[in-house]
Amino acid sequence: DAGVTQSPTHLIKTRGQQVTLRCSPISGHKSVSWYQQVLGQGPQFIFQYYEKEERGRGNFPDRFSARQFPNYSSELNVNALLLGDSALYLCASSLAWDYAEDDGTQYFGPGTRLTVL
Amino acid sequence: KNQVEQSPQSLIILEGKNCTLQCNYTVSPFSNLRWYKQDTGRGPVSLTIMTFSENTKSNGRYTATLDADTKQSSLHITASQLSDSASYICVGDPGAGSYQLTFGKGTKLSVIP
Repeated sequence: DAGVTQSPTHLIKTRGQQVTLRCSPISGHKSVSWYQQVLGQGPQFIFQYYEKEERGRGNFPDRFSARQFPNYSSELNVNALLLGDSALYLCASSLAWDYAEDDGTQYFGPGTRLTVL
Repeated sequence: KNQVEQSPQSLIILEGKNCTLQCNYTVSPFSNLRWYKQDTGRGPVSLTIMTFSENTKSNGRYTATLDADTKQSSLHITASQLSDSASYICVGDPGAGSYQLTFGKGTKLSVIP
């Protein structure tokens, strides 16, 4: 089975631009979470979606938005890019959000490396 | 504020040796303690998950311990291999229905021949 896939792998943008990152979860997984990982730090939670509804939002500005599609894939959008948005953006999928079907383990994709110049 | 502190920040060991990584957490509510392995430039991969009532959990050469009273966890790696070189991240998990995992900064382990 394919794992979590993300696209693109790398991205270079300039300040003020907008970016869209894409994620396809493991087949059968209905929950997708997004994380930002700055170099040398642990991942920071941005959003969680389950069954196309936002279930949680981390401490990120409104420039960050996301959505989940009927096929459970997801997009993360970042507007008005700042230099500080440069990071590895990770997508993780899990079966559900209530641990009813498993132990809630999140499976991470390889990430999208975003560089803002 | 939920926090997960890990030590040491980095560690270099010889191939074949054992090592232990430490984690202190302040996560409320708390349900599970997870350890992830992250290779450079890749997404984290789950190693172990322990509920608050478990003391130890093994996954091959990896053994995690948990002391819920002192809010400490450790990850012990036995007979290290070059492929163990990675960052090891401790994660506090509030449990079902909560999205807010708290990640530590990780311990960067380098195994040298």
